[in-house]
Amino acid sequence: QIQLVQSGPELKKPGESVKISCKASGYTFTDYAMHWVKQAPGKGLKWMGWINTYTGKPTYADDFKGRFVFSLEASASTANLQISNLKNEDTATYFCARGYGPDYWGQGVMVTVSS
Amino acid sequence: DIQMTQSPSFLSASVGDRVTINCKASQNINKYLNWYQQKLGEAPKRLIYNTNNLQTGIPSRFSGSGSGTDYTLTISSLQPEDFATYFCLQHNSFPWTFGGGTKLELK
Repeated sequence: QIQLVQSGPELKKPGESVKISCKASGYTFTDYAMHWVKQAPGKGLKWMGWINTYTGKPTYADDFKGRFVFSLEASASTANLQISNLKNEDTATYFCARGYGPDYWGQGVMVTVSS
Repeated sequence: DIQMTQSPSFLSASVGDRVTINCKASQNINKYLNWYQQKLGEAPKRLIYNTNNLQTGIPSRFSGSGSGTDYTLTISSLQPEDFATYFCLQHNSFPWTFGGGTKLELK
């Protein structure tokens, strides 16, 4: 069955970096784009952008240009999200989601940024 | 960016009730509107895609309708497992945008 399994929760200090992963199984990884979505505590969902899993080309929403990097380990069917120079407002759950109008989502990774 | 206004934010209902949740887009989204269910600590689950297409495995009590800027999710007869948060997503154009969510609670 199709699954997106994300890495575990992270606790970081401001200024640090974090890399979270999304491992896909049950389908051909390069057949579907991977999208990233942010859900801050008590807030709605915000689309961060997507990565073409065939070419590796990332596209970022305006609010996520600069400190956010989408990458792939295609041989491991894994998409990654790296956030550098973490800020308190990066505290959120981050989801990966498959494809156009995503059908399958990961379970989310809670990233807490606190001094 | 397309703004998605979802209503109501909270909905209190009983098992067996028929409920509707609405999403209004700030411009025509050409029926590229999905509905998702989210339970605490779980991955969102796609219920409906492209306005009115039922995701495989989703019960037929869920249905979607709409066009242009106005879209509706209907649950025809609430079941205990339906109490959750629901949100819409427009994927007509980037950046994709979400409705603010509807928390469906047991009355």
